[in-house]
This record gives sequence, structure tokens and C-alpha cells, in this order.
Amino acid sequence: SQKIEQNSEALNIQEGKTATLTCNYTNYSPAYLQWYRQDPGRGPVFLLLIRENEKEKRKERLKVTFDTTLKQSLFHITASQPADSATYLCALDNNFNKFYFGSGTKLNVKP
Amino acid sequence: DGGITQSPKYLFRKEGQNVTLSCEQNLNHDAMYWYRQDPGQGLRLIYYSQIVNDFQKGDIAEGYSVSREKKESFPLTVTSAQKNPTAFYLCASGDNRDRVGADTQYFGPGTRLTVL
Repeated sequence: SQKIEQNSEALNIQEGKTATLTCNYTNYSPAYLQWYRQDPGRGPVFLLLIRENEKEKRKERLKVTFDTTLKQSLFHITASQPADSATYLCALDNNFNKFYFGSGTKLNVKP
Repeated sequence: DGGITQSPKYLFRKEGQNVTLSCEQNLNHDAMYWYRQDPGQGLRLIYYSQIVNDFQKGDIAEGYSVSREKKESFPLTVTSAQKNPTAFYLCASGDNRDRVGADTQYFGPGTRLTVL
């Protein structure tokens, strides 16, 4: 069965450092991978989408990589700020407009 | 303002009762989705609809029902057949911005349902 893994342990980093979150998947061949941010008690907010034929995507302080051989995506936040503290979810499509979400990794950025 | 709304924010239900969660969007999106989120777990797809008057079961549709009579609205009914309905319910609508089938999803604020 399809499986998406994100580190369930919270990631604690110091302000100004780069945060790197990992999303691994098995039994998938997704055409797209998306990253969302979720704050407590709220709905997820879309951040970035990367296609299977793209190695890297950037948006301001965010960078996403997508390695279909390793079946892994890395999500980077450079120059992190306390306001970046949230849970980050990855989501993969199944080529039929259905999406599967990971359980998310909580990021804590300390001032 | 454009957006997607869900109501109510908190909902309490007695066992054996059906309850309907509202989801409305004015983003002119064709696709709409319902997810359930439990603590420490990812979002799980309940139902989705790609077009008015059509919807498909997701991975955990048992005990739930939906309708899609209008493009803007996609209500979810949690029936008494759902054995463990206490959860955070999220509605989303899809923007096919890449025009190649990928739906960027816009989520509502969620409804927290508690069964007493």
C-alpha cells in the first residue's frame, strides 16, 4: 500500500538557521508533490508544488527538492524565523486528482 | 473576499445522531474535497467531487455522505454509522493552476466534531 513518511519528532532549530524537513514515500509514482503549512487548529495552506521532472523549486526563503529515484523530497526554509514555527505537510497525487498527505513534521524556531 | 468557509467551527453531537458540516467556496473551483484529520495522523480523504452533481468515495467514506448540487457548496453528513466520528474535518477546493491535472488545494478553517 502507499505510504508517506515524515519525521514525527519535532524539529527544533535556532532562528537564522536553515530548517530541512524530509518526506519519503513508497509504492508511489507521483506526478506532483506539494508542501503545505498548518498552524494549530487551522486548515493547511499551500506553499509549493514540484513536478516529477523538476529537481528543485524555490520561492523566496523556501526550497523544495524532489528525487524520484530516492523517493524523497526535502523542504528547506533558509534564514528561519520564529514565525515559521508550524507543522509542515507533504502531499502526493496519485495521477487521478486524489492526494495523500503525510502526518507532518512540527518545526519550532527558537529566537 | 474570495475564500472557502466551513461552519460551524465546533460541533457537538450525541451518539446516534446524524450531523451535517457545511462547506462553501467562492473561488469558482470545480473540485472540492473532504478530509478528516486525527491527532498525529495525516489528512485522510473522505469524499471528493470534480464537478457538480458528481462525487467519488475517498479512502474512508464509510459512515459519511455528501452532495454536490451547486458548484459553491459541498456539505458532508456524518451519519450514525460512522463508528468513531470525533475528529477535525477539513474541506478543500481545487485550483488546477498548472492546467495539467494538479490541484493546488485551498483549505477551509475546519470543523472540530466531538461526539458526546
